[in-house]
Amino acid sequence: QVTLKESGPVLVKPTETLTLTCTVSGFSLSNGKMAVSWIRQPPGKALEWLAHIFSNDETSYNTSLKNRLTISKDTSKSQVVLTMTNMDPVDTATYYCARTPYDDFWGGYVRNYYYYYMDVWGKGTTVTVSS
Amino acid sequence: QSVLTQPPSASGTPGQRVTISCSGSSSNIGTNTVNWYQQLPGTAPKVLIYNNNQRPSGVPDRFSGSKSGTSASLAISGLQSEDEADYCCAVWDDSLNGPVFGGGTKLTVL
Repeated sequence: QVTLKESGPVLVKPTETLTLTCTVSGFSLSNGKMAVSWIRQPPGKALEWLAHIFSNDETSYNTSLKNRLTISKDTSKSQVVLTMTNMDPVDTATYYCARTPYDDFWGGYVRNYYYYYMDVWGKGTTVTVSS
Repeated sequence: QSVLTQPPSASGTPGQRVTISCSGSSSNIGTNTVNWYQQLPGTAPKVLIYNNNQRPSGVPDRFSGSKSGTSASLAISGLQSEDEADYCCAVWDDSLNGPVFGGGTKLTVL
């Protein structure tokens, strides 16, 4: 059975750095065309993708948040970690990690995807940013 | 404002068929495959449709997806009360180099 579980602080202060951990089970972080993504959802608002990390350690970030995000993984611990610097009240949200199967191909120098989707999600962790 | 446009709400009566639209552009829906997620109140999203029209195991065949040009649709037939949820579309965007989500459609079963 594939599961993902998010953990991290419930409350952070403005300007602080948020560190979230996604602990996975039932699949490997180092095999196949499988990524782990982080997605967030502010209260009453839409989902927003933050970042992903592939099994080969390749990473990608939301361009609007790229300067604040770092994603990494520890395969031995089955964990994916996301850090977000300089937290602000607008970053208050539920943060999810999700397994992300994909299949890609290269069209020249551009990566294209046959498919890319989040098939198993964690339950999410709610983070409030307030002084 | 979301890159993908969905109606904020939809409704139907039990047994009815409803469709939810998702409008994008040539850099996302026009080029890549569309996924649909269902989010029941207070829970994490769940994939309903991937790769435009594929259902994961366990998803009833009442749910179907389609794509044409830069738009996609989710259809729900034989509407049931437990279908009351938020539904959102998602697709990889080549310009943004990342996946984008629609704003979500809240489905009410009357």
